[in-house]
Amino acid sequence: GAGVSQSPRYKVAKRGQDVALRCDPISGHVSLFWYQQALGQGPEFLTYFQNEAQLDKSGLPSDRFFAERPEGSVSTLKIQRTQQEDSAVYLCASSHDRGTLNEQFFGPGTRLTVL
Amino acid sequence: AQSVTQPDIHITVSEGASLELRCNYSYGATPYLFWYVQSPGQGLQLLLKYFSGDTLVQGIKGFEAEFKRSQSSFNLRKPSVHWSDAAEYFCAVDLTDSWGKLQFGAGTQVVVTP
Repeated sequence: GAGVSQSPRYKVAKRGQDVALRCDPISGHVSLFWYQQALGQGPEFLTYFQNEAQLDKSGLPSDRFFAERPEGSVSTLKIQRTQQEDSAVYLCASSHDRGTLNEQFFGPGTRLTVL
Repeated sequence: AQSVTQPDIHITVSEGASLELRCNYSYGATPYLFWYVQSPGQGLQLLLKYFSGDTLVQGIKGFEAEFKRSQSSFNLRKPSVHWSDAAEYFCAVDLTDSWGKLQFGAGTQVVVTP
């Protein structure tokens, strides 16, 4: 039905706090991506799931970042001990199947501000 | 290293005028190329994509793009811009040829004046 949804839309955290960002992909979509978009920049890849399997986490900037998709649908991106450099918009995208030929549908993003 | 470059950070165009946004890539293999548009508060929306074949690709909202291998370019064009085209535009390359990991350029902000 609806597109990709993300919550919360806005999150303000104090430095050192842990945050959890949620992504609800389009129902039935196999692939799920997380991207980080800093102010004035293009999105940068963080991690990729195919169903519940995390096949690529090469873009996660540090071990403070952790993502999961335990049942192959909803995904959560967790950031521990947030730092100011973590301030960005976090985008989630899903696609029907694996492969470049399948269009990625993006959510509206979660804007994280770390004070 | 693989990269996607959008040389123009900001473009101002009059409504009804033509628009061209530049994208250059550095990539060893035959690339899969994309253009996305991002409006304020909205998610990224795919405008068009190039995988192979005809180098002139038609997309949604009246946009087209031309792949030029000799120039490593994939420029986006629209013959007549509407006020609703004001947005940020991103060129992207698929890095994997497999499951769709995208590398984006820094984006071009388009402002449309009356």
